[in-house]
Amino acid sequence: GAVVSQHPSWVICKSGTSVKIECRSLDFQATTMFWYRQFPKQSLMLMATSNEGSKATYEQGVEKDKFLINHASLTLSTLTVTSAHPEDSSFYICSATPQSSYNSPLHFGNGTRLTVT
Amino acid sequence: AQSVTQPDIHITVSEGASLELRCNYSYGATPYLFWYVQSPGQGLQLLLKYFSGDTLVQGIKGFEAEFKRSQSSFNLRKPSVHWSDAAEYFCAVGTSGTYKYIFGTGTRLKVLA
Repeated sequence: GAVVSQHPSWVICKSGTSVKIECRSLDFQATTMFWYRQFPKQSLMLMATSNEGSKATYEQGVEKDKFLINHASLTLSTLTVTSAHPEDSSFYICSATPQSSYNSPLHFGNGTRLTVT
Repeated sequence: AQSVTQPDIHITVSEGASLELRCNYSYGATPYLFWYVQSPGQGLQLLLKYFSGDTLVQGIKGFEAEFKRSQSSFNLRKPSVHWSDAAEYFCAVGTSGTYKYIFGTGTRLKVLA
């Protein structure tokens, strides 16, 4: 149980275009999902907290207008990278937890490799 | 501020040898501690977690970790490493009252046949 699915696994786009990444909780409902970014050979950096039915909470230094997050249902959150540039190329991973208690571990999707040319 | 340190960036062991990956954390209260493993191009898989109680926790794939409050450590161990264990390992601390995790920088494990 507690499967988190991300789509697509990888995407290549041209500079200036927008890319949407989906994160789904397949067998549980998640009022909160998290988006991380991982640079090559580095750790995960929390970008934002996606809240179902309300605005996302962004970490300091993350551009809200660049990384649009929508959490329209209890099983789906989307991250849209708008007007993508080569420096946005990275590995993006979402996560969620099936329980409401803070000590329940996060489950991660398999990530999306974004390459902006 | 909370932080997680994984002192070893790379570790190489021979198949069948024992393994210990180090993790030190800085946190004011009792932390929630996790170890995750990441294969190349993949997401993170939870190996084990510590919230309270027994300080020696067992995880999947034969891994275990021991919480030592006095040393602010949560080292991951495995008695006999398999070639399939080659991956990146991340230690993380969860902050009480939130879902936010702070990750260490990871340790890349290489297993020699």
